[in-house]
Amino acid sequence: GENVEQHPSTLSVQEGDSAVIKCTYSDSASNYFPWYKQELGKRPQLIIDIRSNVGEKKDQRIAVTLNKTAKHFSLHITETQPEDSAVYFCAASVGSSNTGKLIFGQGTTLQVKP
Amino acid sequence: DTGVSQNPRHKITKRGQNVTFRCDPISEHNRLYWYRQTLGQGPEFLTYFQNEAQLEKSRLLSDRFSAERPKGSFSTLEIQRTEQGDSAMYLCASSPRQGNSPLHFGNGTRLTVT
Repeated sequence: GENVEQHPSTLSVQEGDSAVIKCTYSDSASNYFPWYKQELGKRPQLIIDIRSNVGEKKDQRIAVTLNKTAKHFSLHITETQPEDSAVYFCAASVGSSNTGKLIFGQGTTLQVKP
Repeated sequence: DTGVSQNPRHKITKRGQNVTFRCDPISEHNRLYWYRQTLGQGPEFLTYFQNEAQLEKSRLLSDRFSAERPKGSFSTLEIQRTEQGDSAMYLCASSPRQGNSPLHFGNGTRLTVT
């Protein structure tokens, strides 16, 4: 079945350093890849997304890259700040029917040390 | 705030009891999704609606779970004869249009089965 693997499960960086989180997906028909940030006790919130017709997208300190051939995508956060500390989830759309259904990775707990 | 609203925020119930949760999506969104999230895991897809039609239900979902969206607006998720393994955060999300687009999540209902 459809599957999304996310690594690492935990990541600790010093403030100002970069953080990279990687995901792989199994469904070759996936064409939409969002990233969500979830702070403790709060809802997952979309931070950036990418569609299969582009290889990279950037929004200020956050960027996402996609390699459709290898079926993996990555989140890059530069100049990390303590408020970036949270759990980050990658997700991939399922199948070619564009139902909007997403399969999520297991999450990465990012800790940014001041 | 006109985001996705879920009630109640917390529910504690005894094993064997029935529980019902409610989700009010963003008003112009015609797609509604239910996800379940356990500690340290990503959200797991349960079911989704397009308007009032339930179009997909996870194979992992027990027959004790049922969801409705009678008028294509709010939705309810009922769990009958609850078990301790049902303890989780139940997240509702909505999205506005055809194709794959960001899911907007509610704050969830945290269920504890004792």
